[in-house]
Amino acid sequence: GIQVEQSPPDLILQEGANSTLRCNFSDSVNNLQWFHQNPWGQLINLFYIPSGTKQNGRLSATTVATERYSLLYISSSQTTDSGVYFCAVPRLGNTPLVFGKGTRLSVIA
Amino acid sequence: DGGITQSPKYLFRKEGQNVTLSCEQNLNHDAMYWYRQDPGQGLRLIYYSQIVNDFQKGDIAEGYSVSREKKESFPLTVTSAQKNPTAFYLCASSIVGLFNQPQHFGDGTRLSIL
Repeated sequence: GIQVEQSPPDLILQEGANSTLRCNFSDSVNNLQWFHQNPWGQLINLFYIPSGTKQNGRLSATTVATERYSLLYISSSQTTDSGVYFCAVPRLGNTPLVFGKGTRLSVIA
Repeated sequence: DGGITQSPKYLFRKEGQNVTLSCEQNLNHDAMYWYRQDPGQGLRLIYYSQIVNDFQKGDIAEGYSVSREKKESFPLTVTSAQKNPTAFYLCASSIVGLFNQPQHFGDGTRLSIL
């Protein structure tokens, strides 16, 4: 089945710094989602981005489907950005998602 | 407000006991999913359903059962056959369409063994 790898596994930032999180996937996909899991466990949709670039405030995401990767950019990080960031892609021909293991981000004031 | 409601937020299970986790959605989504998350790990698929009265096993279905009698509801039963049930359980739903549609998640249920 499709494999999803995220890097780095852990990231510590000073407040105000920028960061880039990467998601590699092993097969062609027609959907990719980025999620933020906050310290209370809530999984929040950030982006639905099968290809191209999208921006939402300080966050943006780019997916290059032909090269099988996606990037999540966080600019001017804040302590509330802390948590785990997951990317997920659907199984071939089906809807359930396959998740990466996540990037744990800690933003320090 | 439209959304996905999971209950309870915390659940404790005694040895040999079956417990049922509730998941209800009012988004009019056809598909619903159950995922399990262990500490420091990503989510793994337990079961999913794309239509009422039909469901499919995921990667870790052993020791779990589901039903889909109504479009809005997809309860998950953790049976006594699941030997390591302590985990965070997340329910999701999505539209079923020509292309994969984004999934939306509930707030989860934390299950622990007494």
